[in-house]
Amino acid sequence: SQELEQSPQSLIVQEGKNLTINCTSSKTLYGLYWYKQKYGEGLIFLMMLQKGGEEKSHEKITAKLDEKKQQSSLHITASQPSHAGIYLCGADGAGGTSYGKLTFGQGTILTVHP
Amino acid sequence: DTGVSQDPRHKITKRGQNVTFRCDPISEHNRLYWYRQTLGQGPEFLTYFQNEAQLEKSRLLSDRFSAERPKGSFSTLEIQRTEQGDSAMYLCASSQRGPAQYFGPGTRLLVL
Repeated sequence: SQELEQSPQSLIVQEGKNLTINCTSSKTLYGLYWYKQKYGEGLIFLMMLQKGGEEKSHEKITAKLDEKKQQSSLHITASQPSHAGIYLCGADGAGGTSYGKLTFGQGTILTVHP
Repeated sequence: DTGVSQDPRHKITKRGQNVTFRCDPISEHNRLYWYRQTLGQGPEFLTYFQNEAQLEKSRLLSDRFSAERPKGSFSTLEIQRTEQGDSAMYLCASSQRGPAQYFGPGTRLLVL
């Protein structure tokens, strides 16, 4: 079965600093999804990556998928307190046969100090 | 607000009781998923519906768990004879044919 490892497990930054969260897969990624979760709430979809080398940005958040499609990174530029939360990567690793079922990493807890 | 709603948002029950959760997906979405999330972990897949058909169940879903999606609209997840280990956040997600999934706010279950 596919496993996703996120690093770091937690991150504390000062407002305005840049940061990167990594997600590494044990198998080739057919679809990689990034979500944000506030404590005790549901997941908010951020971005989806499918092609090797693909990069997507939304506001100050950029996600990349490496050429080998086994590692993704999420980069936040000029962090703000509103970026605080748990960031989760999820993988649809079965090439379309998994009905969109996702396997998730354990999450990265981000704290942004004003 | 993603449009996926779940009810109740919180449930406290005693060990051995039965509980039922409801999920209302985004109206045009034919795929519906249930996940379970424990503290400090990512969500784990439980089961999947396409319209009213339950097409996949995780081994995590013991015989005490049952899910339904009558008429392919809302879904219910029932846990019978709850155990303390069932305490978790139960998340529902829905999607159309595309792979992106939209999650509801979750139901937090505490079994005493």
